[in-house]
Amino acid sequence: QVQLQESGPGLVKPSETLSLTCTVSGGAISSSSYYWGWIRQPPGKGLAWIGTIYYNGSTYYKPSLRSRLTISVDTSKNQFSLKLSSVTAADTALYYCVRQSSLRRANFDYWGHGTLVTVSS
Amino acid sequence: QSVLTQPPSVSAAPGQKVTISCSGSSSNIGNNYVSWYQHLPGTAPKLLIYDNNKRPSGIPDRFSGSKSGTSATLGITGLQTGDEADYYCGTWSISLSVVVFGGGTKLTVL
Repeated sequence: QVQLQESGPGLVKPSETLSLTCTVSGGAISSSSYYWGWIRQPPGKGLAWIGTIYYNGSTYYKPSLRSRLTISVDTSKNQFSLKLSSVTAADTALYYCVRQSSLRRANFDYWGHGTLVTVSS
Repeated sequence: QSVLTQPPSVSAAPGQKVTISCSGSSSNIGNNYVSWYQHLPGTAPKLLIYDNNKRPSGIPDRFSGSKSGTSATLGITGLQTGDEADYYCGTWSISLSVVVFGGGTKLTVL
């Protein structure tokens, strides 16, 4: 059974960089059948896709976040990571890491439990 | 404001049937497969329907999906109190180059 677990600070100061890591167990992140992504949910709002990475490092990001966003992968640790720079209160959200089908971009079949990140001084 | 439009809430009695609509355009639903997610309070969202109408292993056949043109529909029959959750549709937007979700629909089982 594939499991994903997010980790990282729950509190980030405005203008600083939000960093999260997702550890994948029960399956290889280097599988050619899947992408690995991040989705967030601001308090009281709906789901919003952030970006996605393939095991070979190729990425695609939400255009509005592209200038601040970096997603990377470490196949040796079976992990992938998110870095979002210059954060504001608008980046406060529950962040989920997800497994995404390589054939259907809106198919997220495994999710982490989610980690709440608050942007506040 | 979400790219895909869902009703904010729906409700029905236990045992009854409910449908949740998801309206989009030719640049998203009209030319891509739709997925549906169930988000129970305090848990991670769960994939309910993919490829418009397919159910992942373990999802009961009380849940169904359909698509016509630029709209999709999630159907739930034999409603149970445990079905109370937020439901989201999602698909790929060709024009925006992003995965887009609906705003979510809160299902209340009265």
